[in-house]
Amino acid sequence: AQTVTQSQPEMSVQEAETVTLSCTYDTSENNYYLFWYKQPPSRQMILVIRQEAYKQQNATENRFSVNFQKAAKSFSLKISDSQLGDTAMYFCAFMKPGGAGNNRKLIWGLGTSLAVNP
Amino acid sequence: NAGVTQTPKFRILKIGQSMTLQCTQDMNHNYMYWYRQDPGMGLKLIYYSVGAGITDKGEVPNGYNVSRSTTEDFPLRLELAAPSQTSVYFCASTLSNRVGGVPGELFFGEGSRLTVL
Repeated sequence: AQTVTQSQPEMSVQEAETVTLSCTYDTSENNYYLFWYKQPPSRQMILVIRQEAYKQQNATENRFSVNFQKAAKSFSLKISDSQLGDTAMYFCAFMKPGGAGNNRKLIWGLGTSLAVNP
Repeated sequence: NAGVTQTPKFRILKIGQSMTLQCTQDMNHNYMYWYRQDPGMGLKLIYYSVGAGITDKGEVPNGYNVSRSTTEDFPLRLELAAPSQTSVYFCASTLSNRVGGVPGELFFGEGSRLTVL
């Protein structure tokens, strides 16, 4: 069974600095999707970034980028130029590849609470 | 475009009462999910549906029931509420294929905070 581990329950960073959130996972699949979701204090979860395992290039979305190490089964999130609005819970998630019978269920880590300090 | 709408946002129940959490989406998504989130914990899947008329259990289905009579609606029923069901409940939806959407990108409602006393 797949598992997702986020080893940092809480982190903090100063505004404008860079922070990296860790995520490791366990799977026997060769192709899959990985995601980082953000849950601000307002509680609505939103997608930050995703990575397809067959792509070697690390995904980037503006100030958010990932370091995807497939062999090590590691998927860390780097937030550059941190802003106060980045304060949130961040969840790492795994999904099996698509295809018939795939119910598109996500397997979630327990989350990392990030505080961006002024 | 409203996305995923959940009601109510807050509710207090007495032990043994029943209620229904409503969830509706206007994005024509086939897949819908109900999660619960306990303090300091991640999301646990209660039930999910891959289309109208089809539902299946997730990790923690006991004490809950769902139905999916239309593509848009996926209500969650709590029967005989217990204090262990005190939690924040999230409904989510996603597309069933890659066309027009990001695989695995779930769209979430704002959550429903339920307290059982």
